[in-house]
Amino acid sequence: RKEVEQDPGPFNVPEGATVAFNCTYSNSASQSFFWYRQDCRKEPKLLMSVYSSGNEDGRFTAQLNRASQYISLLIRDSKLSDSATYLCTSGTYKYIFGTGTRLKVLA
Amino acid sequence: DAGITQSPRHKVTETGTPVTLRCHQTENHRYMYWYRQDPGHGLRLIHYSYGVKDTDKGEVSDGYSVSRSKTEDFLLTLESATSSQTSVYFCAISESGGPYNSPLHFGNGTRLTVT
Repeated sequence: RKEVEQDPGPFNVPEGATVAFNCTYSNSASQSFFWYRQDCRKEPKLLMSVYSSGNEDGRFTAQLNRASQYISLLIRDSKLSDSATYLCTSGTYKYIFGTGTRLKVLA
Repeated sequence: DAGITQSPRHKVTETGTPVTLRCHQTENHRYMYWYRQDPGHGLRLIHYSYGVKDTDKGEVSDGYSVSRSKTEDFLLTLESATSSQTSVYFCAISESGGPYNSPLHFGNGTRLTVT
């Protein structure tokens, strides 16, 4: 079993929809969690950090559930430009990534 | 954008030849990482470094070695390239370790084809 797991999707949603991704991790010692966005044939780019109390950045909300060992990403009011692969990662100084969840926002 | 340069950007090589990929940073960050990305597998950690001459294995380290003789450079070597090492290789850097780590920032990637 991979240390960090994500549903690969694709998630096909209409513009304006709300979509949520979960990511489970197995290493209970992990101390830091991040969401990345990756466009086709590009490098991953940091979308947001995930804090214990949950955090929001515009249309994006990240949550951490340590008891159940998962993190989540909620995207509200989806835009066509949100179409990408979303990667989660957890670790302390050794970061393991999930395989990514592909999102397609449809017009 | 973080100052990370990977070289070469593209390389085609033959099975059995040695290959070295270079990652150069101008941020003076302590941590550096090498990942490979393949369809269906996502990003997999090969090796990482937590300081000059300090390195450790990741998830898929077999067939790869690394060296870090200076803070700014992290080299990934395939001693004898195989077709299974055809992949996109990403270097990443991070400022700090421990709780509430700073995130990773990635280079543009090196596309390696082993024929």
